[in-house]
Amino acid sequence: DQQVKQNSPSLSVQEGRISILNCDYTNSMFDYFLWYKKYPAEGPTFLISISSIKDKNEDGRFTVFLNKSAKHLSLHIVPSQPGDSAVYFCAASGSGGSNYKLTFGKGTLLTVNP
Amino acid sequence: ETGVTQTPRHLVMGMTNKKSLKCEQHLGHNAMYWYKQSAKKPLELMFVYSLEERVENNSVPSRFSPECPNSSHLFLHLHTLQPEDSALYLCASSQDRGSPYGYTFGSGTRLTVV
Repeated sequence: DQQVKQNSPSLSVQEGRISILNCDYTNSMFDYFLWYKKYPAEGPTFLISISSIKDKNEDGRFTVFLNKSAKHLSLHIVPSQPGDSAVYFCAASGSGGSNYKLTFGKGTLLTVNP
Repeated sequence: ETGVTQTPRHLVMGMTNKKSLKCEQHLGHNAMYWYKQSAKKPLELMFVYSLEERVENNSVPSRFSPECPNSSHLFLHLHTLQPEDSALYLCASSQDRGSPYGYTFGSGTRLTVV
C-alpha cells in the first residue's frame, strides 16, 4: 500500500519555463510534507517543506502548494534551469504511532533542456 | 564534505560473501536510518535507531543485520545476500526520531550481488 504517490516517473521542460511536479498521499495522519532532490551518485538532499497548517510555502524559485482536501501537493520551479535536472522525491510524515517516519514516493525524474 | 558519510561507495559481492556497510554522521543527530532504493520503487525504510537503540525493523530479512555502536556510527552487516538485494543503500540521520524537519542523507552504497 503506497501512501505517497508520484504518478509521473519523468518530466521534461524547457529552460526558463515552469516545472510542476505532483504528489498525492492517502494517509490523513500526515501533517508535514517535504521535497527532496537527488542527483546521480549522491544521496537525496532536502529542498523545501510545508506544514499542513499552510497551503503554500515559497523559497526562491521553488514553491510548494498543499491541497489538504484533495490530499495533493505540488512543487513548482520557475524559472527552470538545466541544473534542476534531477530526481525529485516527495515525502510525508505525521504524528502518532508509526507515522513519525518519512514515507517517500517513487520519485520523478525532471529533465530541463537548454 | 557531507555531514553523513557512507563507505564504500560501490560494492560487488557474491552470494556467499559477508560484507559490511558503514555510515558515519558528524551532525550530533540522535536518530539514524537505513533505507533501500531499488529501481522504480520508493525509498524503503529498513531500520531506525534512536539513541543507539533499534526502534524499528521493517520486516527486513535476517541476512541484513544492523549495528549501532554509538550515536555517530551505523553499520549494515550483509551475509548470504540474493541478487534481488542489489540496490542503493542509503543512510540518513535526523535530530530526533520524531523530527519531521527532514533527514540528512549520505551518498549511498551501490550494492551489486552476483
